[in-house]
Amino acid sequence: DAGITQSPRHKVTETGTPVTLRCHQTENHRYMYWYRQDPGHGLRLIHYSYGVKDTDKGEVSDGYSVSRSKTEDFLLTLESATSSQTSVYFCATCPGPGNSPLHFGNGTRLTVT
Amino acid sequence: DQQVKQNSPSLSVQEGRISILNCDYTNSMFDYFLWYKKYPAEGPTFLISISSIKDKNEDGRFTVFLNKSAKHLSLHIVPSQPGDSAVYFCAAMGSGGGADGLTFGKGTHLIIQP
Repeated sequence: DAGITQSPRHKVTETGTPVTLRCHQTENHRYMYWYRQDPGHGLRLIHYSYGVKDTDKGEVSDGYSVSRSKTEDFLLTLESATSSQTSVYFCATCPGPGNSPLHFGNGTRLTVT
Repeated sequence: DQQVKQNSPSLSVQEGRISILNCDYTNSMFDYFLWYKKYPAEGPTFLISISSIKDKNEDGRFTVFLNKSAKHLSLHIVPSQPGDSAVYFCAAMGSGGGADGLTFGKGTHLIIQP
């Protein structure tokens, strides 16, 4: 959808290990976002980017960092994974600014054991 | 504190009837509202939106109504079809035009009964 590819699609990792999730877009959209989806919580914003090397924190940013060195790539890193970070992670993009919908990738299911 | 609320976790509707999904918000700075549909193992897909300067927006079988004074919006699907069975998320955007993302409700699981 909207040329968004998330990798990997599934990952199982152990507590304490670093994990990096990748989002790649081909739409040249300026804005990119990382959300997590958990039962009973809907989708919650982790971090977002409004341009290359320009990022900011969202609602649930603790334990996560991001980087955007190119327009098309937005990386989400869990420095030391915890079981509470078991979730489905969605990347989204938006051409912005203005009232435009966000377009989502198909998600990465991360399990931290 | 939840700024976008979908108080019905699930809703069951007979095929061919109208489905009405509700959403309330608390932040008066929100000025653009969206509905997303989500199937299992897929990302949310944009369905329909409405600006705060309007009270109704229609697209085929889908209509969104906005009542600003009540801080309430609803999505009407008529007639409901089996393929409409999915989780529906209400979302809101502030005056920043999406620069800082969307705020989502917890979702309503719509089940269309044959």
